[in-house]
Amino acid sequence: AQSVTQLDSHVSVSEGTPVLLRCNYSSSYSPSLFWYVQHPNKGLQLLLKYTSAATLVKGINGFEAEFKKSETSFHLTKPSAHMSDAAEYFCVVSAYGNNRLAFGKGNQVVVIP
Amino acid sequence: DVKVTQSSRYLVKRTGEKVFLECVQDMDHENMFWYRQDPGLGLRLIYFSYDVKMKEKGDIPEGYSVSREKKERFSLILESASTNQTSMYLCASSFQNTEAFFGQGTRLTVV
Repeated sequence: AQSVTQLDSHVSVSEGTPVLLRCNYSSSYSPSLFWYVQHPNKGLQLLLKYTSAATLVKGINGFEAEFKKSETSFHLTKPSAHMSDAAEYFCVVSAYGNNRLAFGKGNQVVVIP
Repeated sequence: DVKVTQSSRYLVKRTGEKVFLECVQDMDHENMFWYRQDPGLGLRLIYFSYDVKMKEKGDIPEGYSVSREKKERFSLILESASTNQTSMYLCASSFQNTEAFFGQGTRLTVV
């Protein structure tokens, strides 16, 4: 079975400063990893995904994440926060041969003007 | 673009009612999921289906059942709604273990 840990349920960042959201996973098999974003009263939108190709993955809206197998991590970063980045972010893991998705509990990001 | 459509954005039901939440996807995905989302608890899997008429219990199946008679449609059933089932319900679909595509969600209130 796979699982995901996202610490810091609430994260505050100032506009223009870097964003870092941490994600650690456990998986018995080679994982696929995803970050999703959810804006208020909206569904979940895929930000980026890792599926065993390049370990540094670029996504939409300037976000990127790096897969580190030795650290079982997939942290999400953005160099400069924008007001529109205020949302909830979920890290998700899926293992090959297992159709289930395991979600972290999410990071609620607040951007301070 | 993949589209996952949930039949209602908002529902208000009375305690004890039978409730049907419908979800349709248009990309021929084998996998379909029902999640419940509550503040501080993230998304919790209720049931998922990997093929027509096939289903597996998720982490919180109690009080729910599902139906998948056609590949594109996955229904969540609350046999007798209770107030503790007031929540946001999200449907998703995926192909094998690739990314899931989500519907807009149904906010259910049980009074």
